Amino acid sequence: AQSVTQLDSQVPVFEEAPVELRCNYSSSVSVYLFWYVQYPNQGLQLLLKYLSGSTLVKGINGFEAEFNKSQTSFHLRKPSVHISDTAEYFCAVSANRGGADGLTFGKGTHLIIQP
Amino acid sequence: KAGVTQTPRYLIKTRGQQVTLSCSPISGHRSVSWYQQTPGQGLQFLFEYFSETQRNKGNFPGRFSGRQFSNSRSEMNVSTLELGDSALYLCASKDPDGYEQYFGPGTRLTVT
Repeated sequence: AQSVTQLDSQVPVFEEAPVELRCNYSSSVSVYLFWYVQYPNQGLQLLLKYLSGSTLVKGINGFEAEFNKSQTSFHLRKPSVHISDTAEYFCAVSANRGGADGLTFGKGTHLIIQP
Repeated sequence: KAGVTQTPRYLIKTRGQQVTLSCSPISGHRSVSWYQQTPGQGLQFLFEYFSETQRNKGNFPGRFSGRQFSNSRSEMNVSTLELGDSALYLCASKDPDGYEQYFGPGTRLTVT
């Protein structure tokens, strides 16, 4: 079984400042890692994924994440945020490449961009 | 390609009733997963269907069931509704050769 901990439930950041959303996971097997974003009244959209290879993963909207196996972390970063980045962000893991066994999600981090 | 569609978008039901939610995956996708999202429990995996067979199931009571049709469309059913079943129910589809799950906008179920 896997578990995901998102260390911050809310992160307020000023516009154009950098941001890091933290994610730690626990698993007895190798996992695949994902970050999703959810805008109000919408479903989830995939930002990026780590399946194998380079530990630095680049995604959409200028986001990137780094997989750290020794620290079992997969933190999400963006060098300069915009008002439109205000949303809920979810870290997720799966023991299956496509998540057929179901994605295990963290509780989410609400990113609040302040003008 | 059209995205994942879910109907209805909003639903209000009374305790004890049953409800059926529908999900149409992206054309060509044969895998459909269902998730429940609540403020308290967050996002939880319900079940996954592939080619009309349930492959995986999360930790939910038997009141929650689903099925998939030959055209890959899926339905989930909740019987004997409880107040705690109020949630956003999300459906996701995936091509079996791919890695990304594409989520629909969800069905907001309110149980009164």
